[in-house]
Amino acid sequence: GENVGLHLPTLSVQEGDNSIINCAYSNSASDYFIWYKQESGKGPQFIIDIRSNMDKRQGQRVTVLLNKTVKHLSLQIAATQPGDSAVYFCAEDNNNDMRFGAGTRLTVKP
Amino acid sequence: EPEVTQTPSHQVTQMGQEVILRCVPISNHLYFYWYRQILGQKVEFLVSFYNNEISEKSEIFDDQFSVERPDGSNFTLKIRSTKLEDSAMYFCASSEQGPTNEKLFFGSGTQLSVL
Repeated sequence: GENVGLHLPTLSVQEGDNSIINCAYSNSASDYFIWYKQESGKGPQFIIDIRSNMDKRQGQRVTVLLNKTVKHLSLQIAATQPGDSAVYFCAEDNNNDMRFGAGTRLTVKP
Repeated sequence: EPEVTQTPSHQVTQMGQEVILRCVPISNHLYFYWYRQILGQKVEFLVSFYNNEISEKSEIFDDQFSVERPDGSNFTLKIRSTKLEDSAMYFCASSEQGPTNEKLFFGSGTQLSVL
């Protein structure tokens, strides 16, 4: 069935390096995607979104890239900081409900 | 900044008991949601609610679950007869308009433990 998933369950980076978190989706009809950050003991927090009519969107230190040809979404975090350590979820708009992927845990080493 | 609030933060109950999880969505939001997250797993959609009725529900949201907006500010999730497998973190969320092309704002969750 249609689902959203992530390539890597964990990612460890050095403080100051750039991070790239990937997500594969299979519902070609999805037209809206969001990246959420979840810190320990907290609810998901919106980071950035992108609509299917765009390939790239930039925020503060974060960039989301969408490749509809291969149904791939990525989140790039520039100059990763210890506060970026969290689980990152991609989510897609799936027939009026938001479906989440499995999540990638990002660990930032000092 | 407005936020979604959930109470209680932790709920412990005996199997077979009823529980009610409470949420206060952001005041000008019109769509409300419940999600759950079993420890170490992904966030799973349960139900969406708009205009005092359920808009969408997942296969998880069976007859043991119900939602209600009892007044102008609260949004509740009731589990009638809890099972061990209902143990999870339950997140309430709201959005200003519908879920389509709209970001959701999540509360901090209620950790439900069924013993």
